[in-house]
Amino acid sequence: EAQVTQNPRYLITVTGKKLTVTCSQNMNHEYMSWYRQDPGLGLRQIYYSMNVEVTDKGDVPEGYKVSRKEKRNFPLILESPSPNQTSLYFCASSLGTGDDTEAFFGQGTRLTVV
Amino acid sequence: GENVEQHPSTLSVQEGDSAVIKCTYSDSASNYFPWYKQELGKRPQLIIDIRSNVGEKKDQRIAVTLNKTAKHFSLHITETQPEDSAVYFCAANTYNKLIFGAGTRLAVHP
Repeated sequence: EAQVTQNPRYLITVTGKKLTVTCSQNMNHEYMSWYRQDPGLGLRQIYYSMNVEVTDKGDVPEGYKVSRKEKRNFPLILESPSPNQTSLYFCASSLGTGDDTEAFFGQGTRLTVV
Repeated sequence: GENVEQHPSTLSVQEGDSAVIKCTYSDSASNYFPWYKQELGKRPQLIIDIRSNVGEKKDQRIAVTLNKTAKHFSLHITETQPEDSAVYFCAANTYNKLIFGAGTRLAVHP
């Protein structure tokens, strides 16, 4: 089954404790991205990757890191989480350049930073 | 950069009525406009999209219209059903990314 898988689904952590949210897709998509969803703000892109070893900032990259060592995986790293990073996070993948084809979203990760 | 505005933020209709959600965008180079539906606790999923070379596209009870001159596009849902209740997001493309609107929470009351 074609899918994007994120883990964990729920995470509660403390300020400053490094964490990683994993994302994996099995559709051989070149383009992968991370979004955060906050009430009234929609989906805002954090980082994206157009292929292995190619990553770029989205609209809200501060406080986040990503890596793309393999085509199927695109982890999101919070080196020192802060309460303002409490949010619902979605990973997505799509064909091509990512701006003219369907985005397939993961199940979401609800992160709470206390 | 691209900015997408979406209205209304909430919409309540009776079952069987029509619902219309409107979006405007700022980047005249945008040429792809998808709509995503997010049910409660679920991931966003594409329901329909339109490209700039067409003005309207239909898929059963949903349709999208695009006015490139005015830089706005709309989602139309006819004969609404309770299962249409969800948050709907419009988006427009810009260089290597999609920019999403803030979302519309649609409630369809039986």
